[in-house]
Amino acid sequence: GQNIDQPTEMTATEGAIVQINCTYQTSGFNGLFWYQQHAGEAPTFLSYNVLDGLEEKGRFSSFLSRSKGYSYLLLKELQMKDSASYLCAVTTSNDYKLSFGAGTTVTVRA
Amino acid sequence: DVKVTQSSRYLVKRTGEKVFLECVQDMDHENMFWYRQDPGLGLRLIYFSYDVKMKEKGDIPEGYSVSREKKERFSLILESASTNQTSMYLCASSSRTSGGGEQYFGPGTRLTVT
Repeated sequence: GQNIDQPTEMTATEGAIVQINCTYQTSGFNGLFWYQQHAGEAPTFLSYNVLDGLEEKGRFSSFLSRSKGYSYLLLKELQMKDSASYLCAVTTSNDYKLSFGAGTTVTVRA
Repeated sequence: DVKVTQSSRYLVKRTGEKVFLECVQDMDHENMFWYRQDPGLGLRLIYFSYDVKMKEKGDIPEGYSVSREKKERFSLILESASTNQTSMYLCASSSRTSGGGEQYFGPGTRLTVT
């Protein structure tokens, strides 16, 4: 089975930076996804990491260390609209299923 | 744009009723998934399908069944609804050829069983 851990809640101020950590213990690990989910809406894709290192996409960056079983999502220049849940999910080799963490609710304050 | 639609946004059913949740995707995706989402538990996989007429149990299949008669449609069935099946149900689809298997989600159905 999969064991995926991420903090439950985080709060940050508009314009600041927040880092959401995700640790996993997965046999046959293939890659890691980050999704964003606003309240009452569907999750939407943010990033996918399969190799070690940092992937930057505008204000959002995602990092993966396969040897440490660790990833983070970095949100820079926070805006009020970034208030949402952020879901970490892993895939395993030869499989299309995603295993999700419980999600991190980020609240951005003015 | 990939579009995944679900038959209802909100549904209220009585205990013991048979409930059908429908999901349709328009991107010719091979893979389809049903999840439920509960506070503090995240998304949990109920059933999935990688091809027409194919189905596999996910992590929490008890009390549910599925049907995939056409490639674009994946139905979740609650044979006899119970109050502990009150939840948000999310359908998703993905392509075998897309890198890593990014999943596209429908808007969700919030089911209340009374």
